[in-house]
Amino acid sequence: QPVLTQPPSSSASPGESARLTCTLPSDINVGTYNIYWYQQKPGSPPRYLLYYYSDSDKGQGSGVPSRFSGSKDASANTGILLISGLQSEDEADYYCMIWPSNAVFGGGTKLTVL
Amino acid sequence: QVQLQESGPGLVKPSETLSLTCAVSGYSISSGYYWGWIRQPPGKGLEWIGSIYHSGSTYYNPSLKSRVTISVDTPKNQFSLKLSSVTAADTAVYYCARTVVAASPFDYWGQGTLVTVSS
Repeated sequence: QPVLTQPPSSSASPGESARLTCTLPSDINVGTYNIYWYQQKPGSPPRYLLYYYSDSDKGQGSGVPSRFSGSKDASANTGILLISGLQSEDEADYYCMIWPSNAVFGGGTKLTVL
Repeated sequence: QVQLQESGPGLVKPSETLSLTCAVSGYSISSGYYWGWIRQPPGKGLEWIGSIYHSGSTYYNPSLKSRVTISVDTPKNQFSLKLSSVTAADTAVYYCARTVVAASPFDYWGQGTLVTVSS
């Protein structure tokens, strides 16, 4: 089972941008997979945010604001979730997921909006 | 609007079998899509357990495969999870969720149910 590495925590101020990363193991090429992102608030199930494969192949979950966007850094073998114009309601845990032969989640990043 | 609701015992003894059901409303399972189970130990991350297609084809997490059975009951519009030989490490919130195709995002989730493994 591949392990997706996410920083345990991140913080930013309201109005700023937050860049959350999801690093794939070296034997799995980030360019090969859709990277899915979820948001989870305490006591609630995860909410699907978006997927990113490339600039021409990406998609937003239902009702997800456009200030949530995805990208990849191929040189770092990393998927990226960018949240612009941070709001207090964005404070949550964020999980990445890929689906090689099975669904694999990252360990999650707790985003604090200061 | 698709809705999923998990149900089952909240407490299971070690070595016994955990059994949960996910009732689906707003969509007929027999029409298609994949239906899955994901769990989350308290204070920890998400782990996919497995998924089932409406026809009954199953896909399991290799790390749990030997203990997991997922089945579908289309007349009742529900699907179920059985996890055998449970230990304290299986204590978690168990979610059911839907994917449109096998390798796609889980777009609808149940609220989750906490299952504690303890004697």
